[in-house]
Amino acid sequence: ILNVEQSPQSLHVQEGDSTNFTCSFPSSNFYALHWYRWETAKSPEALFVMTLNGDEKKKGRISATLNTKEGYSYLYIKGSQPEDSATYLCAFSSGSARQLTFGSGTQLTVLP
Amino acid sequence: DAGVIQSPRHEVTEMGQEVTLRCKPISGHNSLFWYRQTMMRGLELLIYFNNNVPIDDSGMPEDRFSAKMPNASFSTLKIQPSEPRDSAVYFCASRDSGRAQETQYFGPGTRLLVL
Repeated sequence: ILNVEQSPQSLHVQEGDSTNFTCSFPSSNFYALHWYRWETAKSPEALFVMTLNGDEKKKGRISATLNTKEGYSYLYIKGSQPEDSATYLCAFSSGSARQLTFGSGTQLTVLP
Repeated sequence: DAGVIQSPRHEVTEMGQEVTLRCKPISGHNSLFWYRQTMMRGLELLIYFNNNVPIDDSGMPEDRFSAKMPNASFSTLKIQPSEPRDSAVYFCASRDSGRAQETQYFGPGTRLLVL
């Protein structure tokens, strides 16, 4: 069983604050780590895919880092806006099983 | 590109009835995934196909669930007979497994309510 853990489970921040959350995954037989953004009543939308230790990806105010040796990834949001409110999911795939195992997500609420 | 298409978007049925959910993957994608989302269990993989062949169905809850992919552009997930505990949002996703990044693209989901 592949265990993907995300923390915190939920988070409330004020508009303008920067924030970050964590995804931890098994470090053995790593293939890829995905981050998705999931707004209520919509479908998950891909943000980043990272495959190499030390990878850093950025899209606007959102960025992510990857440490495959210790099995964690961070997602950062700089200057949070109310439209950033969503659940952020990470998903892991190993070399032996190319399907994704999803974490339970971090639910972010940005208060105006 | 129209993205992954799912139908129906909403389904309300009575316990014991057959339910069929449909999915059209993104053209050119050769992997297709069915997920179920519930409050208790989050997003869980039910089954996935590669080149129309079921690869891993270990997530299918029980024999009442079956999935088919008769061709590269269509898949169904069938529940027969349906039970109230099957109420959930069912997502279909597709992927071009030839790409190294292997991002999955999700459809809008089917919200199923079994009374």
